[in-house]
Amino acid sequence: SQQGEEDPQALSIQEGENATMNCSYKTSINNLQWYRQNSGRGLVHLILIRSNEREKHSGRLRVTLDTSKKSSSLLITASRAADTASYFCATDAFNQGGKLIFGQGTELSVKP
Amino acid sequence: ETGVTQTPRHLVMGMTNKKSLKCEQHLGHNAMYWYKQSAKKPLELMFVYNFKEQTENNSVPSRFSPECPNSSHLFLHLHTLQPEDSALYLCASNGAEETQYFGPGTRLLVL
Repeated sequence: SQQGEEDPQALSIQEGENATMNCSYKTSINNLQWYRQNSGRGLVHLILIRSNEREKHSGRLRVTLDTSKKSSSLLITASRAADTASYFCATDAFNQGGKLIFGQGTELSVKP
Repeated sequence: ETGVTQTPRHLVMGMTNKKSLKCEQHLGHNAMYWYKQSAKKPLELMFVYNFKEQTENNSVPSRFSPECPNSSHLFLHLHTLQPEDSALYLCASNGAEETQYFGPGTRLLVL
């Protein structure tokens, strides 16, 4: 089955730096979503990008989608210690009834 | 706060116990999901309910038994679990929009 794969698996940066996480997937999609999870908690939706979109912004977040390469990236600009969390991409594939397939996630650590 | 609540937040049970996890949402959503999250693994979709009807069972062992009495409540009944079932169990819901709203999860430890 299709699965998002993310890299890097872990990323450690200093406050103020930018963080970039990548996601690759295998089949055609309706949309791709990014979620954030603080340690041991539920996931929180960050941003959704549709298959006909190439770039989307929300505050300090920038998401790109390249359907020809089946990949997406999440950029967090001017990171803060509070951005420390795990970040997951999830794909909503064609003919899957809205089911989301999640990647393994990237653990981001932002040091003050 | 996403509007999806889960109880209990933590649960320790023996392999012979029977327990239930509860999920509740009052967002007006018609789809509800159970996921299992184990360490270092992607979220695994377990069950999907649409309008109270189960539409997906992702080859989950029968020791996990879901129940959806109405569109706001979802249960996961547990019996004779194994230690490898220890994980974070997450409930989620969505409506017409594609994004899912997650509860805080139940951290389950099977001894």
